Amino acid sequence: ETGVTQSPTHLIKTRGQQVTLRCSSQSGHNTVSWYQQALGQGPQFIFQYYREEENGRGNFPPRFSGLQFPNYSSELNVNALELDDSALYLCASSFDRGAGTGELFFGEGSRLTVL
Amino acid sequence: GNSVTQMEGPVTLSEEAFLTINCTYTATGYPSLFWYVQYPGEGLQLLLKATKADDKGSNKGFEATYRKETTSFHLEKGSVQVSDSAVYFCALGGSQGNLIFGKGTKLSVKP
Repeated sequence: ETGVTQSPTHLIKTRGQQVTLRCSSQSGHNTVSWYQQALGQGPQFIFQYYREEENGRGNFPPRFSGLQFPNYSSELNVNALELDDSALYLCASSFDRGAGTGELFFGEGSRLTVL
Repeated sequence: GNSVTQMEGPVTLSEEAFLTINCTYTATGYPSLFWYVQYPGEGLQLLLKATKADDKGSNKGFEATYRKETTSFHLEKGSVQVSDSAVYFCALGGSQGNLIFGKGTKLSVKP
C-alpha cells in the first residue's frame, strides 16, 4: 500500500510569486484535503477535493486554489505569495470524505518559505 | 464556531511517568474527537478516536474518553516511553469532512 506523497519537500519563493504543491493520495482513496500548518500551530483546513470537485473550504482567500485529477492526485496553487504564507503544507487523503470516521492519512508536507 | 483548546507545551517527563494532556472543545452538536500524533520526521497519524459521548478511544497504551458534560477529551498514558516523544494534536470533526486541530503539545520523554 502506497502512502501519501508530497512534492517538493522544501521550497523558497519570494513575495508575489506563485507556487504549486503536489500530492499523490494513498491507493484506494478518492478524497484529498489540504492543510496549512504555521510554526508552532495546529494544521488549518484549506479545502477538500472529492471526485475532482471542491467539497469544502476553510477560511482562506481565493488566491489559494486547487485541483484534483482523475487518478485522485491533487495540486495546491497559491498566487501572489505573502510572507505569512510561509508554513508547512500538509496533504491528507481519505476514502469518501472520511465518511465520518475522521481518519485522514497525511503526507510529510511541503515546507514553503516566502522571502 | 467549533474550536479545540489543548494544554500548552512543551511537556517533559521521565520514562515510566504518567502522562495527561488536556483537551477541551467547543462545538455545536456532538462531533467525533481525535488525537493525532506527529513523530519527528514523520507525517501526522491518527492515534485514537471517539465518535460519541462516553466512548473511550485507546491505542498503544494511550486512552481518551469523550466527556460531553465537561466538553473534554484528555489524553492519558500510564507509563510513557522515550519512543512516545512527539507532538500530540487534539482534533474534532468539522462539518465539511475536515478536522479542526488544537495547537499541539510537544512531549519529550527522558530516559
